Amino acid sequence: EPEVTQTPSHQVTQMGQEVILRCVPISNHLYFYWYRQILGQKVEFLVSFYNNEISEKSEIFDDQFSVERPDGSNFTLKIRSTKLEDSAMYFCASSPTGVGNEKLFFGSGTQLSVL
Amino acid sequence: AQSVTQPDIHITVSEGASLELRCNYSYGATPYLFWYVQSPGQGLQLLLKYFSGDTLVQGIKGFEAEFKRSQSSFNLRKPSVHWSDAAEYFCAVGTYSGGGADGLTFGKGTHLIIQP
Repeated sequence: EPEVTQTPSHQVTQMGQEVILRCVPISNHLYFYWYRQILGQKVEFLVSFYNNEISEKSEIFDDQFSVERPDGSNFTLKIRSTKLEDSAMYFCASSPTGVGNEKLFFGSGTQLSVL
Repeated sequence: AQSVTQPDIHITVSEGASLELRCNYSYGATPYLFWYVQSPGQGLQLLLKYFSGDTLVQGIKGFEAEFKRSQSSFNLRKPSVHWSDAAEYFCAVGTYSGGGADGLTFGKGTHLIIQP
């Protein structure tokens, strides 16, 4: 079965540094998402992306966050100036259509640790 | 806004015993409902989903779930669990506004422990 690929699997950074989390969605999918899961808490929606623009974003997705699809295959999440509370597992997901009609395919996540 | 409640943080079940994980949702219209499983170090894998039609849905790995509108519930069941079922289980509700790309709202998860 096709997979969503995320790199790196673990990232450690210093507070205030910029990080870029990378994802390769499934090739024929049109909708892309980022979710995060703080240790011991529920998975939270961050942002969705369609047709080269943000479709929807949550309150968590403030000005420190940005997403980009720089080429035809990658989908990135950038955190401009990391804070301790950004430490979490970040999941990328993709879908052939919007979530109401199709399942999401999740990657295995990037564990971000901000020191 | 929609919300999901999974009242059980941890559940311990003996191998071979039956399982039921509870999920209650809050949403004004008919929701799209999902169960995901997360094994240690792994991503989220879809077990099953409900969009419409038959309220009893079958999923992978022998799981099933029943949508009960009157109770706003979507409980996950399995008649006989295996040690490999030990994982974190998440219930989620989704909406589709027609514009596409709505995010899922997840519950906090239930940690399933299988004892020999």
